[in-house]
This record gives sequence, structure tokens and C-alpha cells, in this order.
Amino acid sequence: GNSVTQMEGPVTLSEEAFLTINCTYTATGYPSLFWYVQYPGEGLQLLLKATKADDKGSNKGFEATYRKETTSFHLEKGSVQVSDSAVYFCALFNTGTASKLTFGTGTRLQVTL
Amino acid sequence: DTGVSQDPRHKITKRGQNVTFRCDPISEHNRLYWYRQTLGQGPEFLTYFQNEAQLEKSRLLSDRFSAERPKGSFSTLEIQRTEQGDSAMYLCASSSTSARDTQYFGPGTRLTVL
Repeated sequence: GNSVTQMEGPVTLSEEAFLTINCTYTATGYPSLFWYVQYPGEGLQLLLKATKADDKGSNKGFEATYRKETTSFHLEKGSVQVSDSAVYFCALFNTGTASKLTFGTGTRLQVTL
Repeated sequence: DTGVSQDPRHKITKRGQNVTFRCDPISEHNRLYWYRQTLGQGPEFLTYFQNEAQLEKSRLLSDRFSAERPKGSFSTLEIQRTEQGDSAMYLCASSSTSARDTQYFGPGTRLTVL
């Protein structure tokens, strides 16, 4: 079946530090991959996506590259801000098996001054 | 485009009561999804509709849960005889058929069962 594994949090960084949140997946076929962000008390916001191998999704300074050989989709940002503090979810959509998103458990990021 | 909206945002109920939540998708989206998110976990799929047809239901959706989308626009999720284990965030999402992998989420309804 489909599954997503994320690094456990919380991840605590100082402002302007480099961010990496690891995400690996298991799926048959060729899933689309996503990062969503959830701020406290809110729903999920789509951050970026990639639909095929070697695609790079990017948005608001965040980026992630679809690596089929390592089944990974790690989220990176060169310089985090306090406003980036949130929970980040990696997810996959596999058109071959179901019409649902499969999520990881989320990684909490806390950025301090 | 006002995005996905959900109502209410918060619901507190006593065990055994029935509750109903509403979701209004992005207007041009014909696919609508319900997910449940418990504390510290990622969302888990419950069910989805294409237009008014309910095409898939998760095993998580017990017989106390029912979802409808009668005119292919808004949807309701009803939980009968609520239990404390039903306490969670209920999230609605929508997508278009042409980009069905890209789902946009509403703010969620937080249910607390006392």
C-alpha cells in the first residue's frame, strides 16, 4: 500500500537557518507528491507539489525535488523566518490505487529569534 | 474564488448526541473529500464524492457516520451517537477532475465530545 514517513519533530531552528525536513514514501506506480503546511488552529495549505521524477516544486522560498531512485521528497528552505513556524505534512496521491491523499504524521517546525 | 469553507469551526457536544458539519467546496470543483485529523497525526481519508456520487469510503467511516452531497455542491457529514473517540478535526477538501491530485483544504471543524 501507500505510505509516507517523515522525520519526527519538533525541529527547532534560529531565524535565517537552513531547513531540511525529510520525507520518504512507499507507493506503486508514479504518485504525485506534496507538501502542505498547517498553522495553529487552521486547515492545511498547499505549499508545493511535484508530479514526476526529478521535478522540483517551489513556493515562498521552500523547495522539494521528487527523487524516484531514493523515494524521497525532502523539504528545504535556505533561510527560515519566525513566521514559518508551523506543522509541515508530506503527502502522496497515487492515481493508480485510490483518489485520496496519504499523509505523513507531520513535522513541527519552531523558529526562534 | 473564496476557497473551501466549513461550518461550524468548532463544535462541542455530549456523548450520544448527533452532529452535522457542512462543507462548501471551491465552486468549480466537482470532487469533494472528507478527512479526519487527530492530535499529532496527519489527516486520514474518510470519503469522497464526484459530483453527487459517493465513490469511495474508508473503513474508518463506521455506520454512525454518513456523508451526503445531494446537488453536487455542498456536502454534509453527520455523526450519530457521538463517542469520545470521535473528537478530532474534520477537514474537507476539493479538487477539479482535471487536476484531481491537487486538493485544497478548508479550515476544518474541530469536534469535542464530552
